[in-house]
Amino acid sequence: AQSVTQPDIHITVSEGASLELRCNYSYGATPYLFWYVQSPGQGLQLLLKYFSGDTLVQGIKGFEAEFKRSQSSFNLRKPSVHWSDAAEYFCAVGAPEYGNKLVFGAGTILRVKS
Amino acid sequence: DADVTQTPRNRITKTGKRIMLECSQTKGHDRMYWYRQDPGLGLRLIYYSFDVKDINKGEISDGYSVSRQAQAKFSLSLESAIPNQTALYFCATRDSGRSGTQYFGPGTRLLVL
Repeated sequence: AQSVTQPDIHITVSEGASLELRCNYSYGATPYLFWYVQSPGQGLQLLLKYFSGDTLVQGIKGFEAEFKRSQSSFNLRKPSVHWSDAAEYFCAVGAPEYGNKLVFGAGTILRVKS
Repeated sequence: DADVTQTPRNRITKTGKRIMLECSQTKGHDRMYWYRQDPGLGLRLIYYSFDVKDINKGEISDGYSVSRQAQAKFSLSLESAIPNQTALYFCATRDSGRSGTQYFGPGTRLLVL
């Protein structure tokens, strides 16, 4: 069965510092991969997605992610974090069963210190 | 206006009460989903629907039922609410493309006392 692991429950970075959020997945075929962000009291907003092609994908708000098949990873990066990036981030993989549901990781809470 | 809306946004109810959460979408998608979010567990699928006549159980459907009243409307019911159904509930729609991007509503925060 598909699974997604986000090893870091909490991460704290200084404003202006770079950020990398880790995501590892388990999936037999070429995965469809997603990163969503959830701001406090808000729903889930899609940051970026990978389906095929270029393994480095660009998203909204200056985020990017790199798909590495050999490492089964899809890490999210941002070169310079802003205080408004404080939120919870979810990595997800598209699964063929249950109507092509999304399998989510447990999330990583990002705190930004000034 | 938001593409996926959920009502109510917040609800407090008592054990044993029946409650309905509603979801509407203007994206024209056929596929709709209900997930619940619990701290540290991410989101888990409750029910999904491919169209008005096609409704399917997800991973954690016990204690829940759904109704697809129209292509744009998908409701989740708790027939007899219990405290461990306290959670944040999300509705999502999915486009028909192979990529399967899902678009989420703002969520309904439910507290069962």
